[in-house]
Amino acid sequence: KAGVTQTPRYLIKTRGQQVTLSCSPISGHRSVSWYQQTPGQGLQFLFEYFSETQRNKGNFPGRFSGRQFSNSRSEMNVSTLELGDSALYLCASSQETSRGGELFFGEGSRLTVL
Amino acid sequence: TQLLEQSPQFLSIQEGENLTVYCNSSSVFSSLQWYRQEPGEGPVLLVTVVTGGEVKKLKRLTFQFGDARKDSSLHITAAQPGDTGLYLCAGGANAGKSTFGDGTTLTVKP
Repeated sequence: KAGVTQTPRYLIKTRGQQVTLSCSPISGHRSVSWYQQTPGQGLQFLFEYFSETQRNKGNFPGRFSGRQFSNSRSEMNVSTLELGDSALYLCASSQETSRGGELFFGEGSRLTVL
Repeated sequence: TQLLEQSPQFLSIQEGENLTVYCNSSSVFSSLQWYRQEPGEGPVLLVTVVTGGEVKKLKRLTFQFGDARKDSSLHITAAQPGDTGLYLCAGGANAGKSTFGDGTTLTVKP
């Protein structure tokens, strides 16, 4: 069974630009969550989508948005990039029958904002 | 807001030594997960504990969930260089909004 796939793995942007990251979950998993990981803040929850609907949202500004498609694939978008947005963005998928909060992560998209 | 505190933050030991990592909270969790993350990779799920007092073993790793389901520990016996990585605990009522600890960075020197 293929794992969670994130693209691109690495990208460099400049301040003010926008970026779109993509995530393909494990087949059969309908929940997709996004996390931001930085050395200073650790793993911070961005949002979760289930059946094309945002089900949970973290404490991030409106510049961070996402969506989920009918095939469960998800994208997240960050507009008007700031230097502080440099981070590893992780996507995780799970299924409703998973025990508690079991998450299966992709390898992440490393964003550098210059 | 549910918070998870991990200790120690950094741990550097020699191959063959034993170690314990702690994950504590003032909140009760319905379940708790442990993950290991290697540089440049995403976290990989190691175990889920659900029942208070539960003990699970994964080769040389022993995971315990506190009786009150507020804390957990990870004990590694005879650590090996391959155990090097960032260990994260996480808890949450559902998969969509897990709370993560800040992690313990473990370095095992050969």
